[in-house]
Amino acid sequence: AQKVTQAQTEISVVEKEDVTLDCVYETRDTTYYLFWYKQPPSGELVFLIRRNSFDEQNEISGRYSWNFQKSTSSFNFTITASQVVDSAVYFCALRTSGSRLTFGEGTQLTVNP
Amino acid sequence: EAGVVQSPRYKIIEKKQPVAFWCNPISGHNTLYWYLQNLGQGPELLIRYENEEAVDDSQLPKDRFSAERLKGVDSTLKIQPAELGDSAVYLCASSFTGPKETQYFGPGTRLLVL
Repeated sequence: AQKVTQAQTEISVVEKEDVTLDCVYETRDTTYYLFWYKQPPSGELVFLIRRNSFDEQNEISGRYSWNFQKSTSSFNFTITASQVVDSAVYFCALRTSGSRLTFGEGTQLTVNP
Repeated sequence: EAGVVQSPRYKIIEKKQPVAFWCNPISGHNTLYWYLQNLGQGPELLIRYENEEAVDDSQLPKDRFSAERLKGVDSTLKIQPAELGDSAVYLCASSFTGPKETQYFGPGTRLLVL
């Protein structure tokens, strides 16, 4: 069975602070894909990144960066110099064989001005 | 390029009434998903279609929920009769099947059953 754990239910930071959202996953499959989605108050899930299990190279996209470590089954997400517009619920998700996505419970990020 | 379209965005009904949600996927996407999202939780898959075929409906409560995707494009999810516990957000997503498959989500329909 697959499982995704986002231990941080809520995080509150002040604008311009860096913040890291944790994601730990469980699967017995050797081929899998990890995702991060952002859900702003409007409700739509916005795709941020996909990473496959064979590519442990970290990725940076603007203020966003992702750290994938198979040794600890973690796929953490860092926002550098956070902004108020980053306030949202962030979901980590796992896909193994087939197309079913298993989501974590989400982390509510609030960035205060 | 237009994203996944869902309607209505909000729906309020009384229990025991029927309700239907509509989804139009991204053009060219052959796979369509319906997810249920309860407050404070991540989405959970209800049903997945590849073209017209429902290939994963193991999580769909078939006593009251039904879905269809007749021409392999638009899809409708129905609840009849609705119960109080069905109050949630119903999300539709679409993708093009393959190793690099990524699901793109619509804005969801927020259902309140009174």
